[in-house]
Amino acid sequence: QVQLQQWGAGLLKPSETLSLTCAVYGGSFSGYYWTWIRQPPGKGLEWIGEINHSGRTNYNPSLKSRVTISVDTSKSQFALMLSSVTAADTAVYYCARLVAVAGQTYHNYYLDVWGKGTTVTVSS
Amino acid sequence: EIVLTQSPGTLSLSPGDRATLSCRASQSVSSDYLVWYQQKPGQAPRLLIYGASSRATGIPDKFSGSGSGTDFTLTISRLEPEDFAVYYCQQYGSSPYTFGQGTKLEIK
Repeated sequence: QVQLQQWGAGLLKPSETLSLTCAVYGGSFSGYYWTWIRQPPGKGLEWIGEINHSGRTNYNPSLKSRVTISVDTSKSQFALMLSSVTAADTAVYYCARLVAVAGQTYHNYYLDVWGKGTTVTVSS
Repeated sequence: EIVLTQSPGTLSLSPGDRATLSCRASQSVSSDYLVWYQQKPGQAPRLLIYGASSRATGIPDKFSGSGSGTDFTLTISRLEPEDFAVYYCQQYGSSPYTFGQGTKLEIK
């Protein structure tokens, strides 16, 4: 059974760079897109971006200037970096696996396996 | 960017009731691209429905999804205590792949 284990610094000062890593255990790394999602305290979910095993990325335009998602296929890991953080970046950050399967007309896409989440707080 | 608006924001029902949650898109989304998740406090979201109406592995048939175009619905029949949670819809029709703001299903 596929599991995602994530880690990274939980407390940052404004202007620092957030860095999180997510490791994939128990399943194939290739053939999927790997995704980062965040959730500010008491709020909803925000899609940050995704990467596949070849390193092809897709970012949310609202964060694109500050986000880098990278992949290390040799370790079955992918990482998130978010630069110049502010208090608005305080959130629980999740990594997740994106699955694509044949649908009725197009492919179906969905996030089927999630990490447990990492709480990141930005405070001076 | 496709905006997903979920209603109601909070739904207060009793165990045994039937819940109907709505997700409305700001522009048409293929039903193939509409997903529903459940989230309980302190936990990551859990996949419920994909392709608007296909249940994910292990999801009981009391959860059902429907809809097309801009209007989608998640129905939960025979509510049990463990069903009270927050429910999110998400679209994969157009990047960025947005989520609705969530519907909190609470015990009345």
